[in-house]
Amino acid sequence: DADVTQTPRNRITKTGKRIMLECSQTKGHDRMYWYRQDPGLGLQLIYYSFDVKDINKGEISDGYSVSRQAQAKFSLSLESAIPNQTALYFCATSQGDTQYFGPGTRLTVL
Amino acid sequence: GEDVEQSLFLSVREGDSSVINCTYTDSSSTYLYWYKQEPGAGLQLLTYIFSNMDMKQDQRLTVLLNKKDKHLSLRIADTQTGDSAIYFCAESSLMDTGRRALTFGSGTRLQVQP
Repeated sequence: DADVTQTPRNRITKTGKRIMLECSQTKGHDRMYWYRQDPGLGLQLIYYSFDVKDINKGEISDGYSVSRQAQAKFSLSLESAIPNQTALYFCATSQGDTQYFGPGTRLTVL
Repeated sequence: GEDVEQSLFLSVREGDSSVINCTYTDSSSTYLYWYKQEPGAGLQLLTYIFSNMDMKQDQRLTVLLNKKDKHLSLRIADTQTGDSAIYFCAESSLMDTGRRALTFGSGTRLQVQP
Protein backbone atom coordinates (compact mmCIF):
# COMPACT_ATOMS: atom_id res chain seq x y z
CA ASP A 1 0.00 0.00 0.00
CA ALA A 2 1.13 3.55 -0.73
CA ASP A 3 2.55 5.51 2.21
CA VAL A 4 0.89 8.78 1.15
CA THR A 5 -2.55 8.65 -0.42
CA GLN A 6 -4.69 11.40 -1.89
CA THR A 7 -8.39 11.41 -2.67
CA PRO A 8 -9.89 12.04 -5.11
CA ARG A 9 -7.31 11.46 -7.85
CA ASN A 10 -9.29 13.48 -10.35
CA ARG A 11 -12.07 16.02 -9.83
CA ILE A 12 -14.01 18.32 -12.12
CA THR A 13 -16.06 21.01 -10.44
CA LYS A 14 -17.79 24.29 -11.25
CA THR A 15 -16.93 27.84 -10.32
CA GLY A 16 -18.19 28.77 -6.86
CA LYS A 17 -18.37 25.21 -5.51
CA ARG A 18 -16.70 24.16 -2.29
CA ILE A 19 -14.31 21.30 -2.67
CA MET A 20 -12.10 19.31 -0.29
CA LEU A 21 -9.00 17.34 -1.17
CA GLU A 22 -7.84 14.77 1.34
CA CYS A 23 -4.43 13.37 2.21
CA SER A 24 -3.58 10.44 4.47
CA GLN A 25 -0.21 8.99 5.41
CA THR A 26 0.99 5.83 7.10
CA LYS A 27 4.61 6.94 7.46
CA GLY A 28 4.10 8.26 11.00
CA HIS A 29 5.51 11.65 10.02
CA ASP A 30 4.66 14.79 11.96
CA ARG A 31 4.94 17.25 9.09
CA MET A 32 2.52 17.53 6.18
CA TYR A 33 2.37 19.90 3.21
CA TRP A 34 0.11 20.93 0.34
CA TYR A 35 1.50 22.11 -3.01
CA ARG A 36 0.04 23.01 -6.35
CA GLN A 37 1.77 22.39 -9.65
CA ASP A 38 1.13 24.42 -12.77
CA PRO A 39 2.89 23.68 -16.07
CA GLY A 40 6.29 25.38 -16.19
CA LEU A 41 6.02 26.75 -12.67
CA GLY A 42 7.23 23.87 -10.54
CA LEU A 43 5.60 23.36 -7.17
CA GLN A 44 4.29 26.17 -5.01
CA LEU A 45 3.67 25.70 -1.30
CA ILE A 46 0.09 26.38 -0.19
CA TYR A 47 0.07 25.38 3.50
CA TYR A 48 2.19 23.31 5.82
CA SER A 49 1.70 21.78 9.25
CA PHE A 50 4.41 20.62 11.63
CA ASP A 51 2.00 18.94 14.03
CA VAL A 52 -1.73 18.71 14.69
CA LYS A 53 -1.92 22.13 16.36
CA ASP A 54 0.48 23.88 14.00
CA ILE A 55 -0.72 25.33 10.66
CA ASN A 56 1.31 27.74 8.54
CA LYS A 57 0.60 29.61 5.33
CA GLY A 58 2.83 29.01 2.36
CA GLU A 59 3.53 31.30 -0.57
CA ILE A 60 0.08 31.00 -2.23
CA SER A 61 -2.48 30.41 0.55
CA ASP A 62 -5.13 32.89 -0.65
CA GLY A 63 -8.34 31.09 -1.64
CA TYR A 64 -7.38 27.94 0.27
CA SER A 65 -7.83 26.62 3.81
CA VAL A 66 -6.60 23.48 5.54
CA SER A 67 -7.49 21.22 8.42
CA ARG A 68 -5.15 18.84 10.26
CA GLN A 69 -7.64 16.37 11.69
CA ALA A 70 -5.02 13.97 13.02
CA GLN A 71 -1.32 13.31 12.68
CA ALA A 72 -2.04 11.17 9.63
CA LYS A 73 -4.62 13.40 7.89
CA PHE A 74 -4.33 16.82 6.29
CA SER A 75 -7.11 18.18 4.08
CA LEU A 76 -7.13 21.13 1.70
CA SER A 77 -10.32 23.08 0.98
CA LEU A 78 -11.27 25.51 -1.73
CA GLU A 79 -14.21 27.43 -0.25
CA SER A 80 -15.36 28.87 -3.59
CA ALA A 81 -13.44 27.37 -6.49
CA ILE A 82 -12.36 29.55 -9.41
CA PRO A 83 -10.95 28.51 -12.81
CA ASN A 84 -7.39 29.65 -12.07
CA GLN A 85 -7.28 27.05 -9.28
CA THR A 86 -7.23 24.38 -12.00
CA ALA A 87 -3.97 22.56 -11.29
CA LEU A 88 -2.33 19.40 -10.02
CA TYR A 89 -2.31 19.28 -6.20
CA PHE A 90 0.23 17.31 -4.22
CA CYS A 91 0.37 16.37 -0.58
CA ALA A 92 3.73 15.57 1.02
CA THR A 93 4.97 14.40 4.43
CA SER A 94 8.28 14.58 6.24
CA GLN A 95 9.87 13.87 9.58
CA GLY A 96 12.87 16.13 8.97
CA ASP A 97 13.49 18.14 5.81
CA THR A 98 13.15 15.27 3.31
CA GLN A 99 9.66 15.15 1.86
CA TYR A 100 7.72 12.23 0.38
CA PHE A 101 4.91 12.90 -2.04
CA GLY A 102 1.49 11.49 -2.75
CA PRO A 103 0.34 10.67 -6.30
CA GLY A 104 -1.50 13.98 -6.79
CA THR A 105 -5.05 15.17 -7.42
CA ARG A 106 -5.88 16.69 -10.78
CA LEU A 107 -8.49 19.41 -10.20
CA THR A 108 -10.36 21.15 -13.01
CA VAL A 109 -12.59 24.13 -12.23
CA LEU A 110 -14.97 25.01 -15.06
CA GLY B 1 11.68 34.86 -0.93
CA GLU B 2 14.11 32.17 -1.88
CA ASP B 3 14.48 31.17 -5.50
CA VAL B 4 15.60 28.05 -7.35
CA GLU B 5 16.42 28.23 -11.07
CA GLN B 6 16.72 25.42 -13.61
CA SER B 7 16.86 25.24 -17.37
CA LEU B 8 13.59 23.98 -18.82
CA PHE B 9 14.67 21.33 -21.28
CA LEU B 10 17.51 18.91 -22.03
CA SER B 11 17.73 16.39 -24.85
CA VAL B 12 20.34 13.62 -24.94
CA ARG B 13 20.92 10.38 -26.82
CA GLU B 14 20.54 7.03 -25.11
CA GLY B 15 23.84 5.95 -23.58
CA ASP B 16 25.19 9.49 -23.21
CA SER B 17 25.56 11.30 -19.89
CA SER B 18 23.00 13.92 -18.86
CA VAL B 19 23.82 16.89 -16.70
CA ILE B 20 21.01 18.93 -15.18
CA ASN B 21 21.96 22.18 -13.48
CA CYS B 22 20.34 24.23 -10.75
CA THR B 23 21.12 27.44 -8.86
CA TYR B 24 19.63 28.37 -5.50
CA THR B 25 19.69 31.40 -3.22
CA ASP B 26 19.33 30.30 0.41
CA SER B 27 22.88 30.03 1.74
CA SER B 28 21.51 28.47 4.94
CA SER B 29 20.02 25.47 3.10
CA THR B 30 20.83 22.32 5.02
CA TYR B 31 19.89 19.83 2.32
CA LEU B 32 19.47 20.04 -1.44
CA TYR B 33 17.34 17.57 -3.34
CA TRP B 34 16.62 16.07 -6.72
CA TYR B 35 13.15 14.72 -7.41
CA LYS B 36 11.94 12.91 -10.53
CA GLN B 37 8.42 13.17 -11.94
CA GLU B 38 7.29 10.74 -14.62
CA PRO B 39 4.20 11.55 -16.71
CA GLY B 40 0.99 11.34 -14.67
CA ALA B 41 2.84 10.54 -11.46
CA GLY B 42 3.87 12.24 -8.26
CA LEU B 43 7.37 13.33 -7.29
CA GLN B 44 9.81 10.58 -6.45
CA LEU B 45 12.80 11.40 -4.27
CA LEU B 46 15.85 10.62 -6.38
CA THR B 47 18.74 11.72 -4.20
CA TYR B 48 19.85 14.47 -1.86
CA ILE B 49 23.04 16.01 -0.58
CA PHE B 50 23.89 17.56 2.75
CA SER B 51 25.18 21.09 2.44
CA ASN B 52 28.61 20.29 3.87
CA MET B 53 29.33 17.78 1.10
CA ASP B 54 30.78 18.51 -2.34
CA MET B 55 29.75 15.33 -4.09
CA LYS B 56 27.53 12.32 -3.66
CA GLN B 57 27.45 9.28 -5.92
CA ASP B 58 24.66 6.72 -6.05
CA GLN B 59 24.96 4.16 -8.85
CA ARG B 60 24.41 6.09 -12.12
CA LEU B 61 23.70 9.35 -10.30
CA THR B 62 26.32 11.91 -9.27
CA VAL B 63 25.38 15.08 -7.43
CA LEU B 64 27.86 17.96 -7.32
CA LEU B 65 27.43 20.91 -4.97
CA ASN B 66 29.33 24.18 -5.27
CA LYS B 67 28.25 26.00 -2.15
CA LYS B 68 30.24 29.14 -2.94
CA ASP B 69 28.39 29.62 -6.24
CA LYS B 70 25.14 28.07 -4.91
CA HIS B 71 25.16 25.66 -7.83
CA LEU B 72 23.88 22.08 -7.80
CA SER B 73 24.09 19.57 -10.61
CA LEU B 74 22.78 16.08 -11.27
CA ARG B 75 24.70 13.83 -13.64
CA ILE B 76 23.05 10.69 -14.96
CA ALA B 77 25.53 8.27 -16.52
CA ASP B 78 24.51 5.96 -19.39
CA THR B 79 21.14 7.68 -19.76
CA GLN B 80 18.28 5.34 -20.67
CA THR B 81 14.88 6.02 -22.24
CA GLY B 82 13.34 5.26 -18.84
CA ASP B 83 15.14 8.31 -17.48
CA SER B 84 12.89 10.57 -19.57
CA ALA B 85 11.01 12.66 -17.00
CA ILE B 86 10.92 16.07 -15.34
CA TYR B 87 13.66 16.60 -12.76
CA PHE B 88 13.12 19.07 -9.94
CA CYS B 89 15.82 20.66 -7.86
CA ALA B 90 14.77 21.76 -4.35
CA GLU B 91 16.43 23.50 -1.44
CA SER B 92 15.48 23.36 2.21
CA SER B 93 14.61 27.02 2.80
CA LEU B 94 14.01 28.92 6.01
CA MET B 95 10.43 30.25 6.00
CA ASP B 96 9.17 33.42 7.69
CA THR B 97 7.85 31.19 10.49
CA GLY B 98 11.39 30.10 11.30
CA ARG B 99 10.59 26.63 10.03
CA ARG B 100 12.09 24.92 6.99
CA ALA B 101 10.21 23.82 3.92
CA LEU B 102 11.29 22.94 0.39
CA THR B 103 11.49 25.52 -2.40
CA PHE B 104 11.35 23.92 -5.84
CA GLY B 105 12.71 24.93 -9.20
CA SER B 106 10.39 24.88 -12.19
CA GLY B 107 11.77 21.53 -13.37
CA THR B 108 13.96 20.36 -16.27
CA ARG B 109 12.32 18.10 -18.80
CA LEU B 110 14.82 15.43 -19.87
CA GLN B 111 14.14 13.82 -23.22
CA VAL B 112 16.19 10.73 -24.09
CA GLN B 113 16.34 9.86 -27.76
CA PRO B 114 16.95 6.25 -28.83
